Amino acid sequence: GESVGLHLPTLSVQEGDNSIINCAYSNSASDYFIWYKQESGKGPQFIIDIRSNMDKRQGQRVTVLLNKTVKHLSLQIAATQPGDSAVYFCAKGGSTLGRLYFGRGTQLTVWP
Amino acid sequence: DARVTQTPRHKVTEMGQEVTMRCQPILGHNTVFWYRQTMMQGLELLAYFRNRAPLDDSGMPKDRFSAEMPDATLATLKIQPSEPRDSAVYFCASGDTTGGRTGELFFGEGSRLTVL
Repeated sequence: GESVGLHLPTLSVQEGDNSIINCAYSNSASDYFIWYKQESGKGPQFIIDIRSNMDKRQGQRVTVLLNKTVKHLSLQIAATQPGDSAVYFCAKGGSTLGRLYFGRGTQLTVWP
Repeated sequence: DARVTQTPRHKVTEMGQEVTMRCQPILGHNTVFWYRQTMMQGLELLAYFRNRAPLDDSGMPKDRFSAEMPDATLATLKIQPSEPRDSAVYFCASGDTTGGRTGELFFGEGSRLTVL
């Protein structure tokens, strides 16, 4: 079946450092992967996605890497800021169009 | 600014009462999802609709939960009777899969339910 798991439930970094959040998945029959950010009291918000035919994709201060060989996905945040403190979820698209499978989430805490 | 709207934002009720949560998806989106979020289970898919037709509600306790889309602008999730273990944040999300498109889901702010 489909499953998505995160390596660490929590991550603490100092402001200005780079953050790396990792995710593993079990089923390779996925067209795309997505990272979401959830701030306290709010719904998850889309950050960035990557298609399965890509290895890397960059956004503003964020980079997603996809390693299909080891079924591993990572989100890198450059120059982490206090506003980046949130729970980060990785998700992957399943065989059913539009359906997403979510991992458990990593709580990122940024301290000054 | 298009967004998914959920009501109520907060609901406290007593065990056995009926609870109805409502969602207005983003105009033009053809898929609507209901998720439940708890500390223990994370984000669980309860049900989802495409073009208002229910596609999968296997994640939903059928004896007490029901999900409907009376029209394209309204999705409802009903719990009857509610139980303390239903306490969670319920999220509605919508997306656009027309033409085989895949991609992000847009989430509402959630309905926090507390059943006493």
